[in-house]
Amino acid sequence: EAGVAQSPRYKIIEKRQSVAFWCNPISGHATLYWYQQILGQGPKLLIQFQNNGVVDDSQLPKDRFSAERLKGVDSTLKIQPAKLEDSAVYLCASNPRLGYNEQFFGPGTRLTVL
Amino acid sequence: GDSVTQMEGPVTLSEEAFLTINCTYTATGYPSLFWYVQYPGEGLQLLLKATKADDKGSNKGFEATYRKETTSFHLEKGSVQVSDSAVYFCALSEDSGNTPLVFGKGTRLSVIA
Repeated sequence: EAGVAQSPRYKIIEKRQSVAFWCNPISGHATLYWYQQILGQGPKLLIQFQNNGVVDDSQLPKDRFSAERLKGVDSTLKIQPAKLEDSAVYLCASNPRLGYNEQFFGPGTRLTVL
Repeated sequence: GDSVTQMEGPVTLSEEAFLTINCTYTATGYPSLFWYVQYPGEGLQLLLKATKADDKGSNKGFEATYRKETTSFHLEKGSVQVSDSAVYFCALSEDSGNTPLVFGKGTRLSVIA
């Protein structure tokens, strides 16, 4: 079974530029999460989808971050414009359904904002 | 809100030494508890979990017991190997499973031969 796929693996941009990350969850997984992991900290939730609907985006900085999961499968996270403090690893995770405790993580995208 | 506190690293041990990484939590309900591991260059992987008080999760020689009275979920291994070198994260999810994971800051373990 293929795991959670993410691309790109690394991205370097200058502040005020835009960037987008892509995630393809495990086939059939209805729930998808985006986490932000700043160096030296644990991952923190940005947004949670159930199929193509948003379950929780309370921690998403909506003035600059956006995310979508239009067909309930893959998802895109965008930052526009980026700030220095957005430098982090962006992790995508999925699980089969709400109430399923285990989450399956992708390798992450490491973003550096200069 | 919910939170997880785990011992700060880095932790450096010799091969075959005993490992303990402390983890305590604060939660409003009855959470499920997890240990995730992140090997160099790889994504987070579930190491073990426990879903109710007094449950013991175990995998690959690692163990952790859900202690409700002390709100703890300490990770232990009797004899570590060089291949156990990684970052370990303690995490919780509220019982419903509908809430995302809340992670501790992670503990980096280095095992030297």
